[in-house]
Amino acid sequence: RKEVEQDPGPFNVPEGATVAFNCTYSNSASQSFFWYRQDCRKEPKLLMSVYSSGNEDGRFTAQLNRASQYISLLIRDSKLSDSATYLCVGSYIGYGQNFVFGPGTRLSVLP
Amino acid sequence: NAGVTQTPKFRILKIGQSMTLQCTQDMNHNYMYWYRQDPGMGLKLIYYSVGAGITDKGEVPNGYNVSRSTTEDFPLRLELAAPSQTSVYFCASTRSGGAGADTQYFGPGTRLTVL
Repeated sequence: RKEVEQDPGPFNVPEGATVAFNCTYSNSASQSFFWYRQDCRKEPKLLMSVYSSGNEDGRFTAQLNRASQYISLLIRDSKLSDSATYLCVGSYIGYGQNFVFGPGTRLSVLP
Repeated sequence: NAGVTQTPKFRILKIGQSMTLQCTQDMNHNYMYWYRQDPGMGLKLIYYSVGAGITDKGEVPNGYNVSRSTTEDFPLRLELAAPSQTSVYFCASTRSGGAGADTQYFGPGTRLTVL
């Protein structure tokens, strides 16, 4: 079983829609979680970190449920510029700091 | 700060050839990582380093070697290139502690094709 799993997508939504992505993780030792955004043929960039009680950043809200080992990302009022692949990432302290990436969920926001 | 830089951006190799992918960061980060990303897939860790002189294998190390002689540089060596190594390679770095220690900074990637 993969350590981090995500909705396969793709998600095709109209501008202004609300869209939610789900992510589950299997390593209970994972301490921190993140959502990264990756544009086509570009490097991943941090969108937001997700901590114990979840957090909000403008139109983006991330939630963490440690009991269910589940993370979500909610995007409200989708913009065309939100079109990208969203990567769910967990990290844990092993020999150094280890990051485990999910396969990503692709989002296309349509005009 | 330039952040994380990688060279080359693109490269085509013939089967059996060797090459070194360069990675440099100017943020004084102790932790550095090499990932590969195959089309439509997530990132897989090849090797990582927790400081100069210290490296360790990740999930998919076979066919690769690394070295870390300085804090700034973390080159990835491909020996005897194979078509299965066709991929996009990303280098990343992270602080080893303190505020922002969780954030990975990525280089722009190297697109490698082995024919």
